Amino acid sequence: AQSVTQLDSQVPVFEEAPVELRCNYSSSVSVYLFWYVQYPNQGLQLLLKYLSGSTLVKGINGFEAEFNKSQTSFHLRKPSVHISDTAEYFCAVSDLINTDKLIFGTGTRLQVFP
Amino acid sequence: DSGVTQTPKHLITATGQRVTLRCSPRSGDLSVYWYQQSLDQGLQFLIQYYNGEERAKGNILERFSAQQFPDLHSELNLSSLELGDSALYFCASSVGGAGGYNEQFFGPGTRLTVL
Repeated sequence: AQSVTQLDSQVPVFEEAPVELRCNYSSSVSVYLFWYVQYPNQGLQLLLKYLSGSTLVKGINGFEAEFNKSQTSFHLRKPSVHISDTAEYFCAVSDLINTDKLIFGTGTRLQVFP
Repeated sequence: DSGVTQTPKHLITATGQRVTLRCSPRSGDLSVYWYQQSLDQGLQFLIQYYNGEERAKGNILERFSAQQFPDLHSELNLSSLELGDSALYFCASSVGGAGGYNEQFFGPGTRLTVL
């Protein structure tokens, strides 16, 4: 079975600073990896995904993530954050057989201060 | 706006009661998924339907059931409600189909409060 660990429950950062949100996964089979964002009082929106190919994945709103198979990690980064990036971020995984069944981490609350 | 609609937006009820949450998928999507987001359990996959048939099951309680109708909308029925069932319930939809990756688009959720 797969599992996802997001070690940081909250990440405070000042506007225009870089940020990294950490995600580690556990799986005995190959996986797809995802980052979703949840703005206050809204549903989840897909930021980016890794299915195969290049390990550096670029998503919307200037975010990117790098898949590291040896470290079983998929950390999310942004070189310069904005106030509007304040939200909850979820890392998720699915395996290549049950591709539709997403297993989510516990989420990281990104708080951007002016 | 993802194109997935959920009603009602908020629901307040008492323990022991039964409620029905409704989801309309994006136009053309055949798969519907239900997720529960609670403070203690986080975001959990409950169940998936594809074109009217159950396709995958997650941590769904026996008191909960779902179905997908011929017009592809889906309903999640929660019965014998307990305080711990208070949560945000999300519906998502995708094109679906066998194998491969299908992006899931999430609705805004229904917030259930059990008093």
